[in-house]
Amino acid sequence: EPEVTQTPSHQVTQMGQEVILRCVPISNHLYFYWYRQILGQKVEFLVSFYNNEISEKSEIFDDQFSVERPDGSNFTLKIRSTKLEDSAMYFCASRWRDGNQPQHFGDGTRLSIL
Amino acid sequence: SQELEQSPQSLIVQEGKNLTINCTSSKTLYGLYWYKQKYGEGLIFLMMLQKGGEEKSHEKITAKLDEKKQQSSLHITASQPSHAGIYLCGADRTGNQFYFGTGTSLTVIP
Repeated sequence: EPEVTQTPSHQVTQMGQEVILRCVPISNHLYFYWYRQILGQKVEFLVSFYNNEISEKSEIFDDQFSVERPDGSNFTLKIRSTKLEDSAMYFCASRWRDGNQPQHFGDGTRLSIL
Repeated sequence: SQELEQSPQSLIVQEGKNLTINCTSSKTLYGLYWYKQKYGEGLIFLMMLQKGGEEKSHEKITAKLDEKKQQSSLHITASQPSHAGIYLCGADRTGNQFYFGTGTSLTVIP
């Protein structure tokens, strides 16, 4: 069964550095998402992406964050200048249409900011 | 914002016991999803409910969406250690946003 893959599984970065988290969504899916889960807290929506542009973003998704689909397969989340509070698990998800379809999630990238 | 409240927050049950997890929304739900998250891992899709009164089952897990479409329940029959994890309800919101509930942590004692 096709799946969403995320790399790396664990990223350790110095505060202030830029980090790029990578995701390969399921190939025929058109809608892409990023979520964040701080340790012990709920899974929070960050951003949705469709047709090469952001559809929706939450308050968390400020100017430090950006997303991109650089080619036909990858979907990336960039954090420009990382802060300690960016330490979290980041999940990528995709589905082939918006609404009335489940999202399929990757296993996540654990981001640790030192 | 439309919050999804889950109850209980955590549950510890003896293997073989039945249990129910609830998810309540302040507004009408147009699509309600149940996911399971194993500790430190990704989210696994369990079931999707759309119509008021709808009920779906998979193996020993049954999910229902009430008639008014503001509450859903997830029922596990004869729980097993493999059922342990965090159960999350989720819902589509306006635009292309998606929100998760507060989560219910389930521990099954052999």
